[in-house]
Amino acid sequence: EDKVVQSPLSLVVHEGDTVTLNCSYEVTNFRSLLWYKQEKKAPTFLFMLTSSGIEKKSGRLSSILDKKELFSILNITATQTGDSAVYLCAVTNAGGTSYGKLTFGQGTILTVHP
Amino acid sequence: GAGVSQSPSNKVTEKGKDVELRCDPISGHTALYWYRQSLGQGLEFLIYFQGNSAPDKSGLPSDRFSAERTGGSVSTLTIQRTQQEDSAVYLCASSLGGTSQYFGPGTRLTVL
Repeated sequence: EDKVVQSPLSLVVHEGDTVTLNCSYEVTNFRSLLWYKQEKKAPTFLFMLTSSGIEKKSGRLSSILDKKELFSILNITATQTGDSAVYLCAVTNAGGTSYGKLTFGQGTILTVHP
Repeated sequence: GAGVSQSPSNKVTEKGKDVELRCDPISGHTALYWYRQSLGQGLEFLIYFQGNSAPDKSGLPSDRFSAERTGGSVSTLTIQRTQQEDSAVYLCASSLGGTSQYFGPGTRLTVL
């Protein structure tokens, strides 16, 4: 069974701090790893990673994947109060009938204080 | 449409009643997924559609749950004889083949 573990489960920082969120996984026939931000109900897509060592960047957010060690990190620099959310990591399995199905970690709750 | 839409946004029902939740995916997206997020729990996969067929229904928690998709577009998730443990946010996502999934705003179901 595919498994995703995120750490820390929660994190409290002050504006301007840099944070690193961790995601480790076990999946048969790995296809991709995705990061989402969830503020209310709908998770919003951040990144999809398929190749090791290639950093994806969007503004103050960046992410990288290590397929040998089976983990990914999400970095947020110069945090703002608007970054407060639950950050979800998920993997997809390329095999058989499960194609595209997301297996999620439990999420990291990030709180950014002014 | 511009994004995934779901209706209703909130549904309160009495135990034992049937409910239908609707998902309208992004136009042209062939893959559609239903997930459930219970209070304090992570997102849990329910069912996956490719076109109108459902090759993976492994996440449906019981035979009270069913889903269909018509015309390769709109999908309906039906829960029969609702129980209190069915209370959750039901999220729908769509994607184009194996690309990233985009989520709708969800339906918050409360079973009294």
